[in-house]
Amino acid sequence: GQNIDQPTEMTATEGAIVQINCTYQTSGFNGLFWYQQHAGEAPTFLSYNVLDGLEEKGRFSSFLSRSKGYSYLLLKELQMKDSASYLCAVRDDNYGQNFVFGPGTRLSVLP
Amino acid sequence: NAGVTQTPKFRVLKTGQSMTLLCAQDMNHEYMYWYRQDPGMGLRLIHYSVGEGTTAKGEVPDGYNVSRLKKQNFLLGLESAAPSQTSVYFCASSYPSGTPTDTQYFGPGTRLTVL
Repeated sequence: GQNIDQPTEMTATEGAIVQINCTYQTSGFNGLFWYQQHAGEAPTFLSYNVLDGLEEKGRFSSFLSRSKGYSYLLLKELQMKDSASYLCAVRDDNYGQNFVFGPGTRLSVLP
Repeated sequence: NAGVTQTPKFRVLKTGQSMTLLCAQDMNHEYMYWYRQDPGMGLRLIHYSVGEGTTAKGEVPDGYNVSRLKKQNFLLGLESAAPSQTSVYFCASSYPSGTPTDTQYFGPGTRLTVL
């Protein structure tokens, strides 16, 4: 089966850096995705990792270690608009190439 | 280019009533999905489709049926609604996996309350 864990809630200060961790257990790993979801809105794609290492996109970076079943999303220079839920999702080839989502981490950015 | 659209946006049902949620996408995606999102549980896959005329069960299919008669549309039906089906429903679409750009694109969601 699949299992994905993330912290439920995190709080950080405007301008700071925050790291949101995700651990997973899947049998047919084929990529890890991070999505951002503002309250009452749909998830939107942030980043994708399929190989080990760091992927950087502006203020957001995502890291993957396949051997450890571990990923993190790093948000730099936090802004108030970054207050949202961040969803970790794994694509599993043994699950019809479907996405398995973690419970999400609700990030609150304080002034 | 509207992306993924869902109708309706909100609905209140009484126990035992039926309804159909419509999802439409204009990106020529092969794959389409229906999820439900409940507090603290993340997105859970109800049913999905890998192409026109095909459907398959996801993690939580009981109480729901789907149809994909046209490539651009994916319908989710509730034959006899129950309070446990109160949730936010998201539709998504994507190309088949294999490239870094084949993420899922989500519709705006349908908030359903069953009394």
